[in-house]
Amino acid sequence: DQQVKQNSPSLSVQEGRISILNCDYTNSMFDYFLWYKKYPAEGPTFLISISSIKDKNEDGRFTVFLNKSAKHLSLHIVPSQPGDSAVYFCAARDNYGQNFVFGPGTRLSVLP
Amino acid sequence: DAGVIQSPRHEVTEMGQEVTLRCKPISGHNSLFWYRQTMMRGLELLIYFNNNVPIDDSGMPEDRFSAKMPNASFSTLKIQPSEPRDSAVYFCASSLGGTGSLFFGPGTRLTVL
Repeated sequence: DQQVKQNSPSLSVQEGRISILNCDYTNSMFDYFLWYKKYPAEGPTFLISISSIKDKNEDGRFTVFLNKSAKHLSLHIVPSQPGDSAVYFCAARDNYGQNFVFGPGTRLSVLP
Repeated sequence: DAGVIQSPRHEVTEMGQEVTLRCKPISGHNSLFWYRQTMMRGLELLIYFNNNVPIDDSGMPEDRFSAKMPNASFSTLKIQPSEPRDSAVYFCASSLGGTGSLFFGPGTRLTVL
């Protein structure tokens, strides 16, 4: 049973437009959420995170929104750039602070 | 800081052989995780350690898999005997417990023929 879901396996966006990646979770004990970006032949790299006490966190072109009542978070990238093309993983940490659960990933393609 | 170090980067072996993957976490991090990435299951947690103690190994597929962390700066994941279905990319990651982010190594691509 997947506790973290990313229902879109892939997404294509035109350069300069907004990319919106979605993530849903089932475990109400998750208290910290992260997005990771992964290029081929590399390990995932941390992108942005949000605590469950917030509903928005922004870092440059990247913004993460959290809707706790819906158990839903999203990553917005604006404007999208070709270098953003990668697989994006949503992850959640339980409130014991030790285990990280990852979604299956969404492959983003930003077209020039 | 060199980040999380994994070796080897690539491993090709024959079915039935023993495989050992190695990881050096970021200095000062007290939690270490082994993940496996496959097309079918994405990133799945195999086992994680906190202060060198295994906390949750429920993700380890079967008895053929074992992991150790003899000290704070080294961990191994061993598969004996290996099978073709073990072919995947294995990632090691570390974190400073309680502060959030997980830092991944570059992974070991394992191919079992």
